[in-house]
Parts: sequence; C-alpha cells; structure tokens
Amino acid sequence: EVQLVESGGGLVKPGRSLRLSCEASGFTFNNYNMHWVRQAPGKGLEWVSSITSSSKYIHYADSVKGRFTVSRDNAKNSLYLQMTSLRAEDTAVYFCAREHTWTPALDYWGQGSLVTVSS
Amino acid sequence: DIQMTQSPSSLSASVGDRVTITCRASQGISNFLAWYQQEPGKVPKLLIYGASTLLSGVPSRFSGSGSGTDFTLTISSLQPEDVATYYCQNYNSAPFTFGPGTTVDIK
Repeated sequence: EVQLVESGGGLVKPGRSLRLSCEASGFTFNNYNMHWVRQAPGKGLEWVSSITSSSKYIHYADSVKGRFTVSRDNAKNSLYLQMTSLRAEDTAVYFCAREHTWTPALDYWGQGSLVTVSS
Repeated sequence: DIQMTQSPSSLSASVGDRVTITCRASQGISNFLAWYQQEPGKVPKLLIYGASTLLSGVPSRFSGSGSGTDFTLTISSLQPEDVATYYCQNYNSAPFTFGPGTTVDIK
C-alpha cells in the first residue's frame, strides 16, 4: 500500500525556518517524481514545488522561489521541503504527493502537515 | 505562467442531476489537465488525468473532456457522496497551477 507521511510542521515565528519531511513507503520511491502542494486554512490548493526522481529537475511556485528548497534522499525514501524566511501567508497544510506513473498528475497524497507562521 | 480559472465557484444540485464544471487555461495546455476531488476535511483525490482518462476505481458517472484551453468535468448523476470541492490542475508546464475550485453540494 502506498503511504506518504509528512512531519515537521508546527508553529514558527515570521522570518524563521522550518523543514518538512515526507516518508514514502509501499512503492519504489526512486522511480517517481514528487511534489509539494499546500492549502491555506479554508482556501484552495496551491502547487508549491516538484522534484524529479533523480533530482535533476526542480521547479518552484513564484510565491516560494528563493525561500524554499525541495530535496530528496532516495536511500531513505524521503522528500524534504526546507522553508526559510517564513511569512504569515505561508501558513497552510503542506501535502507531499506522488506523480502518477504515466503522467504528472498526482495520484497519491499524504495526510498533510500544518505549518503556522505567527508571532 | 499559466493561470487556471473555474466556473462556477459553487453550485447546488439535486441527487440525480447532471453537473458540469468548467476549467479554462490562460494558454493552451493540450490535454495536460487533471481533475481532483476534495471531500470536506479530507485529502485531495485524483479523478481524471489527460483531460479525459478516468483513474482506475473512479465511478463512471465522472467524465472529463476538452483540450487546449477549455475543459469540462461532468458528473452524470450527482450522488450524496459527491459533495466536495473539485479542482483542475495544469501539468503542461511548471508552475503546475490549480484552479480555484468549485464546491458542489446537494440541494
């Protein structure tokens, strides 16, 4: 069974940093591209970042470019999101998601990790 | 960057009704479009990819169509378990933007 489990969320002050992790199981992690998607409270989905299976290609939303860094450790079946210079508007549930085998659509999602940026 | 819009933003329909949601891309994305369903308090679920290909296990009352800039998600006979917010997503090119969502409930 495919499982994606996020961790590392919490309450953080504006300007500070936080690192999210996503541990994958139930599939061959190093064969799949992975994404981060966030959802602010009561709002819609916002795509954040993606990383290919070998980490060769990485993309970011303009809203996080220069502040967030996505990475992965295929030996540990883990995806990461390093978030720096956090702002109140980064407050959201952060989901990691796996790309479908044949298309960049996202077929499996984790339960999400809540990040709250507040003083 | 490609912008995605959806209409309507919300709708209310009766059980058994045919429901149609429209998604529009600001520039052509061929058929690189996905639809997701997010039930209240739950994680999003992929319904359709390639604009019209139903993911295995998704009820056949869901269908998708379109290409280029205009896309449609149709629920042929609305069921109570379809109460959710539906999102389209461009995956033609990064950033892989989502539409703002359409909330569907039962009248």
